[in-house]
Amino acid sequence: KNEVEQSPQNLTAQEGEFITINCSYSVGISALHWLQQHPGGGIVSLFMLSSGKKKHGRLIATINIQEKHSSLHITASHPRDSAVYICAVRKSNQFYFGTGTSLTVIP
Amino acid sequence: ETGVTQSPTHLIKTRGQQVTLRCSSQSGHNTVSWYQQALGQGPQFIFQYYREEENGRGNFPPRFSGLQFPNYSSELNVNALELDDSALYLCASSLGNGETQYFGPGTRLLVL
Repeated sequence: KNEVEQSPQNLTAQEGEFITINCSYSVGISALHWLQQHPGGGIVSLFMLSSGKKKHGRLIATINIQEKHSSLHITASHPRDSAVYICAVRKSNQFYFGTGTSLTVIP
Repeated sequence: ETGVTQSPTHLIKTRGQQVTLRCSSQSGHNTVSWYQQALGQGPQFIFQYYREEENGRGNFPPRFSGLQFPNYSSELNVNALELDDSALYLCASSLGNGETQYFGPGTRLLVL
């Protein structure tokens, strides 16, 4: 069993839709990261969370430490949001990654 | 662009060979982490270096080794390459352990 589970694995949305990607983890963590990976491999760190909620533009990330769960929301989705979104957690000096959610936003 | 660079961008090796991958961290970043990402999978943590010392290691065999230099650039060395080592190798630098990581573009390694 993976330490980090994401859902859904694949997601297709119409432009403008509100999108939610979920991440559950089974280990005690010091931080949770949301990453965006575009075709070709480049990874961008979107958020690092240890509690509560963060917002950056149309992206919102929340974490519930007690429930070991985090969500990434995208408001007013756009085709350029199409990418793989990866949840990663840090426990001590170890990192554990989910397998990613592949998002396609159709115009 | 993050300022983290990796070389080479692509590499083809044969089984049993050795490979060295390089990473230049973003200016001022003293922590470098290395990850392996097989096709269609999420990244797997290999190890992290902080101020030239290994500071955490994932579930990889000893033939995966690393170095961090005084300028905080880093190398990943893999000995006795196996076919399953074919993957995208990513490095990420940060200001310190636990800080936001900035990823390089990766090195695509193919082992034949």
